[in-house]
Amino acid sequence: EDQVTQSPEALRLQEGESSSLNCSYTVSGLRGLFWYRQDPGKGPEFLFTLYSAGEEKEKERLKATLTKKESFLHITAPKPEDSATYLCAVQAPQAGTALIFGKGTTLSVSS
Amino acid sequence: KAGVTQTPRYLIKTRGQQVTLSCSPISGHRSVSWYQQTPGQGLQFLFEYFSETQRNKGNFPGRFSGRQFSNSRSEMNVSTLELGDSALYLCASSLRPDLLGRGYTFGSGTRLTVV
Repeated sequence: EDQVTQSPEALRLQEGESSSLNCSYTVSGLRGLFWYRQDPGKGPEFLFTLYSAGEEKEKERLKATLTKKESFLHITAPKPEDSATYLCAVQAPQAGTALIFGKGTTLSVSS
Repeated sequence: KAGVTQTPRYLIKTRGQQVTLSCSPISGHRSVSWYQQTPGQGLQFLFEYFSETQRNKGNFPGRFSGRQFSNSRSEMNVSTLELGDSALYLCASSLRPDLLGRGYTFGSGTRLTVV
């Protein structure tokens, strides 16, 4: 069964304290791995798509990387506005076009 | 450019009733997907429509149904509501189902509470 597990469930950081979020997956024939950000009361907002092991994408303070079994979302020198829930999702042939989501990591950054 | 619009934003229903939720995708997007989000299960795929046809369906009971109109707007219906159906229902649109590049664009959701 295709599965996505995110860790930690919650993470508290001080402003400027860099860290990483983990997304491990068991999927046969990964078609794509997605990172989303979700703010309270809103829908997920697209951040990155990764297709193959070794691929990296960057956007401002965020950098996503992909291996054959997991993906990391690195947050460099976070600011309070980076506080949100970060969701990882995969797309696999068995699920067709559906996204299989992890339960997310809730990040809190204090000043 | 308008985003994905979901109506209503909040809804309170009684057990046993039925409910219809609406989703208007981004202009030009022809694929609409629905997801249920709960604290315990996270986001779970309900179904996907493209060109008025259901292309994919998740593992939900038959009480959950949907449709898509010729203008790409979509509705989902839940009949005989149960307390466990309380959730945030999210709609996502994309140009086509096979486009992975930017994933989907999600709406802000409809918060359904069943009492």
